[in-house]
Amino acid sequence: DTEVTQTPKHLVMGMTNKKSLKCEQHMGHRAMYWYKQKAKKPPELMFVYSYEKLSINESVPSRFSPECPNSSLLNLHLHALQPEDSALYLCASRASGGAREQFFGPGTRLTVL
Amino acid sequence: GDSVTQMEGPVTLSEEAFLTINCTYTATGYPSLFWYVQYPGEGLQLLLKATKADDKGSNKGFEATYRKETTSFHLEKGSVQVSDSAVYFCALIRTNTGNQFYFGTGTSLTVIP
Repeated sequence: DTEVTQTPKHLVMGMTNKKSLKCEQHMGHRAMYWYKQKAKKPPELMFVYSYEKLSINESVPSRFSPECPNSSLLNLHLHALQPEDSALYLCASRASGGAREQFFGPGTRLTVL
Repeated sequence: GDSVTQMEGPVTLSEEAFLTINCTYTATGYPSLFWYVQYPGEGLQLLLKATKADDKGSNKGFEATYRKETTSFHLEKGSVQVSDSAVYFCALIRTNTGNQFYFGTGTSLTVIP
């Protein structure tokens, strides 16, 4: 099973709302990632968790708050977002050995009104 | 620092034409190299990978060879189909260390019947 699942698939929220994005993998990977992607651009790294600890935070605004409750789950909590935060949010997990490839989820399409 | 330089797009080809998308990289040591494909509205899918010099990754008729001497990993396909229309990303990660992936800018391919 090489599947990474993400929920919800689509999310529309106002600038005062609080919402969460969820990501799950059952491949036993110990590194998990959040990316933001604009249309036809490469993914922009936001956060990396390694062994459930925050490893990389790419100077993301505090209105984005990541959480890794266990080795299979990754959340991204959203609060007071801006319209420019509208994008595709991708979760990925990374294999530990071999080529260390990433496996991506289908993404959450976020629209901030 | 590590980086990936990818051929600019967009690329438009007729069905059954030959495809080449150029990718060169800068990295310390022997990184793992990848091609990812992204279809409209979806996440990134791993297309192929290579971990050492002269390795050839292949999948679904696509091929790429890890060339250490030219620091390249060009993507090729002998006969493209309409269903190959997508955005293609070249990427790397350092072998055995670090969590960060480096992506190229992406190349949008459109195949017309």
